[in-house]
Amino acid sequence: NAGVTQTPKFRILKIGQSMTLQCTQDMNHNYMYWYRQDPGMGLKLIYYSVGAGITDKGEVPNGYNVSRSTTEDFPLRLELAAPSQTSVYFCASSLGQGDSGNTIYFGEGSWLTVV
Amino acid sequence: AQSVTQLDSHVSVSEGTPVLLRCNYSSSYSPSLFWYVQHPNKGLQLLLKYTSAATLVKGINGFEAEFKKSETSFHLTKPSAHMSDAAEYFCVVSDIRDTGRRALTFGSGTRLQVQP
Repeated sequence: NAGVTQTPKFRILKIGQSMTLQCTQDMNHNYMYWYRQDPGMGLKLIYYSVGAGITDKGEVPNGYNVSRSTTEDFPLRLELAAPSQTSVYFCASSLGQGDSGNTIYFGEGSWLTVV
Repeated sequence: AQSVTQLDSHVSVSEGTPVLLRCNYSSSYSPSLFWYVQHPNKGLQLLLKYTSAATLVKGINGFEAEFKKSETSFHLTKPSAHMSDAAEYFCVVSDIRDTGRRALTFGSGTRLQVQP
């Protein structure tokens, strides 16, 4: 019963460094998402994917990139880390379109600090 | 434009007493509405959702919410709080944006404390 698994759970980056947050799901879901959660705020959508090979920008895509080469995996890339990217990142997936009422399943989060 | 307002950032109740977490929304269309719960260091878990069927929605762990269109509210309630209910709760609205695309908007969250 793995569900949505994301790694690493915690990471400290220096300004300008790059890193990839990994996300995999074993539910054969078509839709996958990356959100960020800033302190005292709700989640903001960074990028999403409706299936392998198809990705699109969310509300806050600047500074990030994604790829979806398989149904299971949806990595999030930070190319030049900035302090503004300090946040908690959540990967999620859903069978159908999440914003149309389908249940979205979330990973446990990745805490990223940029110093 | 759509928005979600969770009226309380913190709510504290005693174990065994009722819980009320308030959520108001604004929407140009007929929205879908959700409540998610987030336990410490965990991902979000769906509690319940409203998608234009019955206005009183029952969820997991004894929670329920009532969609009131006239008041643009979707408050979350539970008759009797349990210590395990202590968590952060998010109200979420799914609506059609100005772009014509449907999207989710998350509220800023309400932290529920349960006192023994």
